[in-house]
Amino acid sequence: EAGVTQFPSHSVIEKGQTVTLRCDPISGHDNLYWYRRVMGKEIKFLLHFVKESKQDESGMPNNRFLAERTGGTYSTLKVQPAELEDSGVYFCASSQILAGGPSSYNEQFFGPGTRLTVL
Amino acid sequence: AQTVTQSQPEMSVQEAETVTLSCTYDTSESDYYLFWYKQPPSRQMILVIRQEAYKQQNATENRFSVNFQKAAKSFSLKISDSQLGDAAMYFCAYRRRYGNKLVFGAGTILRVKS
Repeated sequence: EAGVTQFPSHSVIEKGQTVTLRCDPISGHDNLYWYRRVMGKEIKFLLHFVKESKQDESGMPNNRFLAERTGGTYSTLKVQPAELEDSGVYFCASSQILAGGPSSYNEQFFGPGTRLTVL
Repeated sequence: AQTVTQSQPEMSVQEAETVTLSCTYDTSESDYYLFWYKQPPSRQMILVIRQEAYKQQNATENRFSVNFQKAAKSFSLKISDSQLGDAAMYFCAYRRRYGNKLVFGAGTILRVKS
């Protein structure tokens, strides 16, 4: 079974440019998460999709970030315009929705991340 | 808000020896999960071990075990008989039981010397 994949693995852009990151979750996983790690710091939650709906976007830093998950399959995270502080590693994770409901433990499986460098 | 603190940016261990990675957390919740994730260089992060807060027994997975001290809000990871393949960044993480998002610490780099 294929794991979570992310594209590109690395991206180097100039300040003010636009970048789009893509995440393909494990097939059948309705939950999809984006996280970000700024160099040397903790990994921080950005947002959570259930199928195509945004369940929680409390971690999105500002309106320069736009996440979509059309059709409930893959997701994109667009940064426009990019700023220096957006540099970091962006992780995507996916998990199943279990029959036992929200109290059930459902493991999040992570992708390898996209390293974004804004110059 | 919940926070997770890993106070050791970097640790080293000799092959075949034991090492303990520290993690403390802060929460007002009583029911939650705690995790240790491993991220080898240039590879995906994988779950090492999970602890449910309502369980008093410490979780164990082969050479990996935890010391869960709920009152102290401490959750350390012990790796026994360290192997070269254990070299990685280790992240401690928290999740509310009725929640989805993970709250991570800043990570500890573990180096294994042969």
